[in-house]
Amino acid sequence: DVKVTQSSRYLVKRTGEKVFLECVQDMDHENMFWYRQDPGLGLRLIYFSYDVKMKEKGDIPEGYSVSREKKERFSLILESASTNQTSMYLCASSLRIGWLAGYNEQFFGPGTRLTVL
Amino acid sequence: AQSVTQLGSHVSVSEGALVLLRCNYSSSVPPYLFWYVQYPNQGLQLLLKYTSAATLVKGINGFEAEFKKSETSFHLTKPSAHMSDAAEYFCALNTGFQKLVFGTGTRLLVSP
Repeated sequence: DVKVTQSSRYLVKRTGEKVFLECVQDMDHENMFWYRQDPGLGLRLIYFSYDVKMKEKGDIPEGYSVSREKKERFSLILESASTNQTSMYLCASSLRIGWLAGYNEQFFGPGTRLTVL
Repeated sequence: AQSVTQLGSHVSVSEGALVLLRCNYSSSVPPYLFWYVQYPNQGLQLLLKYTSAATLVKGINGFEAEFKKSETSFHLTKPSAHMSDAAEYFCALNTGFQKLVFGTGTRLLVSP
């Protein structure tokens, strides 16, 4: 059974703290993604990675960074958390069969609900 | 730019009634389209996907969707709603380069 796991389901942090969100997949997928989900806005892509040590900005990268040192692990880092980063964070992974292939589904983790006070 | 529009942030149906969730897309190239479902406090789960093999796509839990190029639509339907179908549904578009563009979601409410 395919699996994407996230380190925490719920997290409460204070403004200015450095926050790490961890994601691990066991499917040997090349691609990994971080999204944030907010009511009425759907899912918005923060960053994605198509290989180890590779990363590309998504639609809303400001205030975030990422790290991918191993194929199975993709970390999202909030360098200095702010209240407007209170959100649900979802990690996903997918196969990369041909660079232009768009038919690969993404597999999602359960999400981390982050509250910044 | 590629985009997805889901009409109706909330849809309410009675148990046993037809479910219709609307999705329209904008894409300059042939699209790959997906429907995902999110149950409370969970991640997203794939319901079905269109990859140009057939315009009528059947998915899990009795859901299906029809790709209509002339209408740029990919609406999701289910003949008879169950209480367990209550969830949020997302339509998504992938035009290559591995990334998905999501709609804003439709919350399905099912009453007994």
